[in-house]
Amino acid sequence: SQTIHQWPATLVQPVGSPLSLECTVEGTSNPNLYWYRQAAGRGLQLLFYSVGIGQISSEVPQNLSASRPQDRQFILSSKKLLLSDSGFYLCAWTMDRVGYGYTFGSGTRLTVV
Amino acid sequence: SQQGEEDPQALSIQEGENATMNCSYKTSINNLQWYRQNSGRGLVHLILIRSNEREKHSGRLRVTLDTSKKSSSLLITASRAADTASYFCATVSGYSTLTFGKGTMLLVSP
Repeated sequence: SQTIHQWPATLVQPVGSPLSLECTVEGTSNPNLYWYRQAAGRGLQLLFYSVGIGQISSEVPQNLSASRPQDRQFILSSKKLLLSDSGFYLCAWTMDRVGYGYTFGSGTRLTVV
Repeated sequence: SQQGEEDPQALSIQEGENATMNCSYKTSINNLQWYRQNSGRGLVHLILIRSNEREKHSGRLRVTLDTSKKSSSLLITASRAADTASYFCATVSGYSTLTFGKGTMLLVSP
């Protein structure tokens, strides 16, 4: 069966520090991978998605970046965090076709102080 | 940008009652999905309805889709306290990117 792992669960980082969040999927190959951010009391905003190794599409220009160094690994990074980067970050995957639901990780609560 | 808009924003009911949440969207879609999120957790996929379908059932869940009105509804029958969560509709258009609404917070009291 397929599983998705996301870590860390919580993170408190000072403004200006770097960020690296990791997400891995097991039990499938060539998944579509996604990073979403959820601000308090709001819906989910798509940040990045990837349909293959090294292929990254950005939905929202900002100081975040994403990489997919391996087929089932998706990394969200920042060189210098801003206060506005605080939020709940969720990784998700789906099969490489329309018509499948997304499977989400358990999320990372990031607080920038 | 957000495509779906759920209504109501919050809903409070008693156990055993039915809960109905509505979702409206703006552009043409391939499918519409409903998700549940317990507080501080990831989202769980509940049900997917394709643009050529009008109604779908899964256990105590019933979803309808009206593409002419660009709207969908999620009905949870015989609600339980464990159904307390936020519910999101999300639409798919283009190449498999989900666009979410802001959600409905459902509180089911024992």
